Amino acid sequence: AQSVTQPDIHITVSEGASLELRCNYSYGATPYLFWYVQSPGQGLQLLLKYFSGDTLVQGIKGFEAEFKRSQSSFNLRKPSVHWSDAAEYFCAVGGGGSYIPTFGRGTSLIVHP
Amino acid sequence: DGGITQSPKYLFRKEGQNVTLSCEQNLNHDAMYWYRQDPGQGLRLIYYSQIVNDFQKGDIAEGYSVSREKKESFPLTVTSAQKNPTAFYLCASSIAGAEAFFGQGTRLTVV
Repeated sequence: AQSVTQPDIHITVSEGASLELRCNYSYGATPYLFWYVQSPGQGLQLLLKYFSGDTLVQGIKGFEAEFKRSQSSFNLRKPSVHWSDAAEYFCAVGGGGSYIPTFGRGTSLIVHP
Repeated sequence: DGGITQSPKYLFRKEGQNVTLSCEQNLNHDAMYWYRQDPGQGLRLIYYSQIVNDFQKGDIAEGYSVSREKKESFPLTVTSAQKNPTAFYLCASSIAGAEAFFGQGTRLTVV
């Protein structure tokens, strides 16, 4: 069965600092991988996705993520965090024609001024 | 604009009452999903449908029911059998194999 682990429940960073959110997945075949962001009381917005090809993918709002098959990881990064980036971040895995997304428990990002 | 619409945004349920959450999409997606979100537990799959007139139970289907009579619509009914229904409910849709698009959610509270 597919699964996603986000080991950090909360991450606190200062505004302007770099950010890395961790995601590890378990999937029997080549995974489709996603990062979503959620503001309080809102739905989820897609930040970026990986299906195949270049293992470093660029997303919206200055985010990027790197797929590392050997480590079963898909970590999200941003070089300089803005206060507006404070939100909940979810990593998800799926794949193939029968795509049923499985989500991690989320990481709450807190940004200090 | 294409998108996925959930209504209502807030819903209050009395003990023993059934309530229905609406989810409509105009993205022409075949697959639709219902997730429940509780603090610290991420998103848990309630039901999903990959084609009209067919749907499957997810991980926490007990106390919930769905229908998929039209491609655009996937309503979720929270029945009186669901003992702890207070949560944030999210509907999503996708083309099979692609990313999911989410509605803005419905917050259900038992009063």
